[in-house]
Amino acid sequence: AQSVTQLDSHVSVSEGTPVLLRCNYSSSYSPSLFWYVQHPNKGLQLLLKYTSAATLVKGINGFEAEFKKSETSFHLTKPSAHMSDAAEYFCVVIVSGSNTGKLIFGQGTTLQVKP
Amino acid sequence: SQTIHQWPATLVQPVGSPLSLECTVEGTSNPNLYWYRQAAGRGLQLLFYSVGIGQISSEVPQNLSASRPQDRQFILSSKKLLLSDSGFYLCAWSLGMWGQGRSDTQYFGPGTRLTVL
Repeated sequence: AQSVTQLDSHVSVSEGTPVLLRCNYSSSYSPSLFWYVQHPNKGLQLLLKYTSAATLVKGINGFEAEFKKSETSFHLTKPSAHMSDAAEYFCVVIVSGSNTGKLIFGQGTTLQVKP
Repeated sequence: SQTIHQWPATLVQPVGSPLSLECTVEGTSNPNLYWYRQAAGRGLQLLFYSVGIGQISSEVPQNLSASRPQDRQFILSSKKLLLSDSGFYLCAWSLGMWGQGRSDTQYFGPGTRLTVL
């Protein structure tokens, strides 16, 4: 069965410093993995997706994530945090063997950006 | 381009009252549709999904139900709300099935904040 673990419930960085949000996954198959961002009282926006092509995936707003099969990780990074990056971030894996594309969400990581 | 709408944006309802939340998708045909609930401080929980008109699958036993009367319309309902039904409800759509590359990406609506008092 697939699962996702976001290792930090809360991350605080200063504006202009790097961001690292950690995610480990468990999957019997080659997984499809996503990162979504949710600003307060808003829907989820897709940041990026891994689909077994390049292991380094570039997303919107300067974010990127690296798929590391040996470590079963899919950490999200950004070189320089901006105040507008403050939000909730979800690491997501798709349920393998499902014909509906069902997703399994991590518990989320709240990113705080200090001025 | 595709867009997804949800309404209402916010809703305050008394315990025991009925519920109807609506989700519509524009710009695509025969999407897969999903209802999620996000309780305070928690991740998303899949409630229902639909692969076609009149086809509904339930993920979690509860007093909620879903219907898909039209190809791009998905409705979440309840006959009698409970306090535990409070939360943020998100509708999502995707084009295809797992393993089909970009088409299995889910796109989310703006959500409905439901408070049951």
